[in-house]
Amino acid sequence: AQKVTQAQTEISVVEKEDVTLDCVYETRDTTYYLFWYKQPPSGELVFLIRRNSFDEQNEISGRYSWNFQKSTSSFNFTITASQVVDSAVYFCALRGGSGGSYIPTFGRGTSLIVHP
Amino acid sequence: GAGVSQSPSNKVTEKGKDVELRCDPISGHTALYWYRQRLGQGLEFLIYFQGNSAPDKSGLPSDRFSAERTGESVSTLTIQRTQQEDSAVYLCASSLMYSGPYEQYFGPGTRLTVT
Repeated sequence: AQKVTQAQTEISVVEKEDVTLDCVYETRDTTYYLFWYKQPPSGELVFLIRRNSFDEQNEISGRYSWNFQKSTSSFNFTITASQVVDSAVYFCALRGGSGGSYIPTFGRGTSLIVHP
Repeated sequence: GAGVSQSPSNKVTEKGKDVELRCDPISGHTALYWYRQRLGQGLEFLIYFQGNSAPDKSGLPSDRFSAERTGESVSTLTIQRTQQEDSAVYLCASSLMYSGPYEQYFGPGTRLTVT
């Protein structure tokens, strides 16, 4: 069975602070895919990034960066110099590479509140 | 191009009535998913479609819930004899394929309120 744990329920920061959202996953598949989604207060989930299990290269996109470590089964997301517009619920998700695990498994989400 | 659309955006119904929620996925996306999200909660998986087939219906909360998809396009989620605990936002998502490194694209959701 697959599992995604986002231990941080809510994080509150002041604008310009850096913040890291944790994601720990469990899977028996050797091939799998990890995702991050953002759900702003408006409600619509938006895809942010995908990582394949065979590609541990970290990625940076502007103020966003992702750290994928298979050794610790983690796929953490860091926002540098946070802004009020970053306030949202962030979901980490896992999709396996074999038949029984095609259904994406989502974490419970981390609510990020950025204060001006 | 057009994203995933859902209708209605809001639905208020009386307890015991049936409701139909509609999802129009991105054209060409063979996989379609339904989720339920209660206020302040995460995503609860309901059902997914590969083409027009639903290989796994185990996420449906009860036999009052059913879903179908036609023409590898539009999908309808039906809730019969609605109960107050059915109140939630129902999200639809589509993906190019059901397997592989394909992200999901979500619709805006249908907010269902059962009075």
